[in-house]
Amino acid sequence: AQTVTQSQPEMSVQEAETVTLSCTYDTSESDYYLFWYKQPPSRQMILVIRQEAYKQQNATENRFSVNFQKAAKSFSLKISDSQLGDAAMYFCAYRSPGLTQGGSEKLVFGKGTKLTVNP
Amino acid sequence: DTGVSQDPRHKITKRGQNVTFRCDPISEHNRLYWYRQTLGQGPEFLTYFQNEAQLEKSRLLSDRFSAERPKGSFSTLEIQRTEQGDSAMYLCASSLAGMSSGTDTQYFGPGTRLTVL
Repeated sequence: AQTVTQSQPEMSVQEAETVTLSCTYDTSESDYYLFWYKQPPSRQMILVIRQEAYKQQNATENRFSVNFQKAAKSFSLKISDSQLGDAAMYFCAYRSPGLTQGGSEKLVFGKGTKLTVNP
Repeated sequence: DTGVSQDPRHKITKRGQNVTFRCDPISEHNRLYWYRQTLGQGPEFLTYFQNEAQLEKSRLLSDRFSAERPKGSFSTLEIQRTEQGDSAMYLCASSLAGMSSGTDTQYFGPGTRLTVL
C-alpha cells in the first residue's frame, strides 16, 4: 500500500519570503500522480498543484512550484513571495494510475503541514 | 459551476442513531468520492462512484456505512448505529473522467462535520 509522509507538522514564514514544505511517499508503482492541496481554516480543500510521475519537468503554478525527485520519492512544495492568504493546512497526496490500470482512483493523503504566515 | 456542495454542514447526534449526509457534485462530473477526516489527520478514502456504480470501497467502510448514487448525480452516505469514533469531517469530492486515466482532478466540498455524543 502506498503511504505519504509529511515530516513537518508546522511551518512558519514571513510575508514575502519563501518556504518549502516536504513530502515523501512510498510506492512500488512506476506511474502515478502527486498533488498538493491547501485547506484554509474552516474552508474547503483546494488543489494547489499536481505532478505526473512520467514528467521530468517540475510543475509550477504562479508562486507555487514543486521539486519532484522520483528516485528519492520526494515531492516538496515551494511557495515564493508568501502571502497572508497562504496560511492553511497543506496536504500532499498520491494517486495510482487508476482502476483500469490495476491501481486505484483514491487519493492517499499525508497528515498535513500547518503553514503560518507572519506579517 | 457552483462547486461541490454538502448538506448538512454540521450534524450532532447521539450514539446509536442513524445519520445521512448528502453530496451534490459539480454538475457534469461523473466521478464522486467520499473521504473521512479526523482531527490532525489527512483525509482517508471511503468509497468511489463512477456514475451510479460504486467501484471502490475502503476497508474502513464498515457494515454500518453505506453510500449510494442512484442516478449518477447526487450521493448519500448513511451511517447506522453511530459510535463516538465516527465523529469526523466527511468530505465529498467529484471529478470528470478524461480520455486518459488519471487526468481528472478531484474537487472537494466543504464537508459535513459529524459529532456523536
